[in-house]
Amino acid sequence: EVQLVESGGGLVQPGGSLRLSCAASGFNFNTNAMNWVRQAPGKGLDWVSTISGNGANTYYSDSVMGRFTISRDNSKNTLYLQMNTLRVEDTAVYYCVKSFGGIYARFDYWGQGTLVAVSS
Amino acid sequence: EIVLTQSPATLSLSPGERATLSCRASQSIDSYLAWYQQKPGQAPRLLIFDASNRATGIPARFSGSGSGTDFTLTISSLEPEDFALYYCQQRSHWPLTFGGGTKVEIK
Repeated sequence: EVQLVESGGGLVQPGGSLRLSCAASGFNFNTNAMNWVRQAPGKGLDWVSTISGNGANTYYSDSVMGRFTISRDNSKNTLYLQMNTLRVEDTAVYYCVKSFGGIYARFDYWGQGTLVAVSS
Repeated sequence: EIVLTQSPATLSLSPGERATLSCRASQSIDSYLAWYQQKPGQAPRLLIFDASNRATGIPARFSGSGSGTDFTLTISSLEPEDFALYYCQQRSHWPLTFGGGTKVEIK
């Protein structure tokens, strides 16, 4: 059974940093691209970032480019999102999402999400 | 950026009725479109991928069609558990984008 468990969310002040983690199990982690997708309170889904299975290729939305860094540790089956210079508009539930294969593949499994709240 | 426009924003129907949801892309995305269902307090769930393929475990009452710029999700006969939010998403071009969603509510 595929499981994706996010952690690391919380309340942070504008300009602060947070690191999200996603522990994955139930599939061959290093052969699948992984993603972060967020959802602001009461709003729709917003793709944040994608990383290839070997970690060599990364992609970001314009809104987080230069502030967020996606990475993975395939020896630990864990995905990360380092978030720096956080803004109020980054407040959202952040979902860890598995791709069915490579970076262009469909999103086939979602974690339950972790809430990031940016507020003074 | 490819913009996905979903319509209607809200669909008010009764159990047993047919639901037809639309997703229109601002440029061709071939068949690289997926549909997701989201219930309150839950993560989204993949329903349909590549426009017309049901994901594992998805009931046959859900079907998808379309290619290019116009796509449809059809629920042939609404069950009580189908009242939820539905999002389309394209994986044809970066950045990956989602539609704004259609809420299927009980009439």
